[in-house]
Amino acid sequence: NAGVMQNPRHLVRRRGQEARLRCSPVKGHSHVYWYRQLPEEGLKFMVYLQKENIIDESGMPKERFSAEFPKEGPSILRIQQVVRGDSAAYFCASSPMTEANYGYTFGSGTRLTVV
Amino acid sequence: AQRVTQPEKLLSVFKGAPVELKCNYSYSGSPELFWYVQYSRQRLQLLLRHISRESIKGFTADLNKGETSFHLKKPFAQEEDSAMYYCALSGRGSTLGRLYFGRGTQLTVWP
Repeated sequence: NAGVMQNPRHLVRRRGQEARLRCSPVKGHSHVYWYRQLPEEGLKFMVYLQKENIIDESGMPKERFSAEFPKEGPSILRIQQVVRGDSAAYFCASSPMTEANYGYTFGSGTRLTVV
Repeated sequence: AQRVTQPEKLLSVFKGAPVELKCNYSYSGSPELFWYVQYSRQRLQLLLRHISRESIKGFTADLNKGETSFHLKKPFAQEEDSAMYYCALSGRGSTLGRLYFGRGTQLTVWP
């Protein structure tokens, strides 16, 4: 069990480009969560997905950001037309159930730098 | 609104000294509280959760609903406890599944 795998670990994009962040959950986990951590801040919830469904995207910026978790393959967080303010660490977590009480398993994160 | 506050950004103690990492929360209901830890160059991992009332690596945390606190304590700190610690809250209802994190406390245990 390789845990939650995120790639790439580091991503550098120029302003205006697109960033695609991938997350493969723990095998058997059908719930995926994305969090963003800005410098000097805690993790902030972005979106909660189940296979082929977005359950809660209330933490996602209204524009340029989207997420999916297809039936096959990893979950993707997509940021279009990146700006400097998008520079952050993006963490993915998975769980076998809805209840966060069981604790998530986190990935190592993707550090996005926009230059 | 849900909020988790960790008032100390940095905390330093000497090996063998007691340590307490503070966490206060605001939530209109009965929350579930957690402590997560991130050791250097490792991923964030669950340390303990209040519903299980367990002790992990000598750490304990008691939920005090009157003071809305969930402080993390260890009577004798070890150098290997040096890490970033995050307090987190899980809500219910429409926010089910989501965790609210504090900004974290960097603990350094000196030899």
